[in-house]
Amino acid sequence: EDKVVQSPLSLVVHEGDTVTLNCSYEVTNFRSLLWYKQEKKAPTFLFMLTSSGIEKKSGRLSSILDKKELFSILNITATQTGDSAVYLCAVTRPGAQKLVFGQGTRLTINP
Amino acid sequence: DAGVIQSPRHEVTEMGQEVTLRCKPISGHNSLFWYRQTMMRGLELLIYFNNNVPIDDSGMPEDRFSAKMPNASFSTLKIQPSEPRDSAVYFCASIRDTAYGYTFGSGTRLTVV
Repeated sequence: EDKVVQSPLSLVVHEGDTVTLNCSYEVTNFRSLLWYKQEKKAPTFLFMLTSSGIEKKSGRLSSILDKKELFSILNITATQTGDSAVYLCAVTRPGAQKLVFGQGTRLTINP
Repeated sequence: DAGVIQSPRHEVTEMGQEVTLRCKPISGHNSLFWYRQTMMRGLELLIYFNNNVPIDDSGMPEDRFSAKMPNASFSTLKIQPSEPRDSAVYFCASIRDTAYGYTFGSGTRLTVV
């Protein structure tokens, strides 16, 4: 059974800090890993990663995948209160369109 | 593009009642997914359709749950009879044809009392 584990489950930091969120996975025939941000409503797509060592970047957010060690990290620099959310990691397999999600990391940024 | 549209946004019902959740995917997206989110179990896939055909329903908890997709622009998830443990947020999502960048609806928060 495919498994995605995120850590930490919860994190509280001050505005301006840098955070690193972790996602490890076990999946038969890995295809891709995706990061989502969930505020009050629906998850919104951040990144999709398919190749090891290639950093994806969007503003203050960046992510990288290590397919050998089966994990990914999501970095957020110079955090802002608007970054407070649950960050979800999910994996897919070739030929299967469904996402298998981790439990999420609840990030709280205090002013 | 109106996005994935779900209704109702909130539903409160008594145990034993039938509940129907509705979803309109993005036009042109040919795969539709129903997920359930709870604090305990996170986001779990219930069922997904490709070109209106159910592909994987292994996540449907039990016979009380059923889902249909009669056409490319509409799907329903029905719970009959509902139980308090069904209380959760139910999300519908759609994609075009590749497994990235799912677009989620705003969800239906179901409370069964």
